[in-house]
Amino acid sequence: SAVISQKPSRDICQRGTSLTIQCQVDSQVTMMFWYRQQPGQSLTLIATANQGSEATYESGFVIDKFPISRPNLTFSTLTVSNMSPEDSSIYLCSVDSGASGGLQYFGPGTRLTVL
Amino acid sequence: AQKITQTQPGMFVQEKEAVTLDCTYDTSDQSYGLFWYKQPSSGEMIFLIYQGSYDEQNATEGRYSLNFQKARKSANLVISASQLGDSAMYFCAMKRAAGNKLTFGGGTRVLVKP
Repeated sequence: SAVISQKPSRDICQRGTSLTIQCQVDSQVTMMFWYRQQPGQSLTLIATANQGSEATYESGFVIDKFPISRPNLTFSTLTVSNMSPEDSSIYLCSVDSGASGGLQYFGPGTRLTVL
Repeated sequence: AQKITQTQPGMFVQEKEAVTLDCTYDTSDQSYGLFWYKQPSSGEMIFLIYQGSYDEQNATEGRYSLNFQKARKSANLVISASQLGDSAMYFCAMKRAAGNKLTFGGGTRVLVKP
């Protein structure tokens, strides 16, 4: 299975600021995914990031608020822009394992609190 | 649209006993995959078990087994011989054959009592 790391693991930020979350994988992967998990809720897909193309955003998520970069096959960043307390969540990146069925492996998550 | 329903928000289970976590899904697709993940309080998502819609046998992985009833559209997770370390949130998820998106259920919190 892929080993995925995320930075930072947690952060406390002021409203109106932006935070960039990094996701690093120990092997080359085609697809990376960013999820949000609001307190007490399930996971919701924000966007899919393929190397060399623009990220594909899910309904309710826009590039201006959650810009994503995917400069190579092992790395991606998600920026949470102009934050408000409603952005307080766990943000998780995941990768397609390449196994049949589409299994995704997840990073450890970034726990964000916005004051 | 796909929908995953986990009707049990929380469950207590005695250590060493088995527990069944319910998951029902709604899809018109014939080909899809079903997954269970465990999320401890640390927040990481740990893959437990996978069942393909065309798999004839129920999936098993150690103490985890999946009771797959395709006609009823259910994919219940059975954890045998519960351990204290099994205390966590458990999420059922589905992926269509076409596309890459995982759709998650609302989760079930399991607390194992000594």
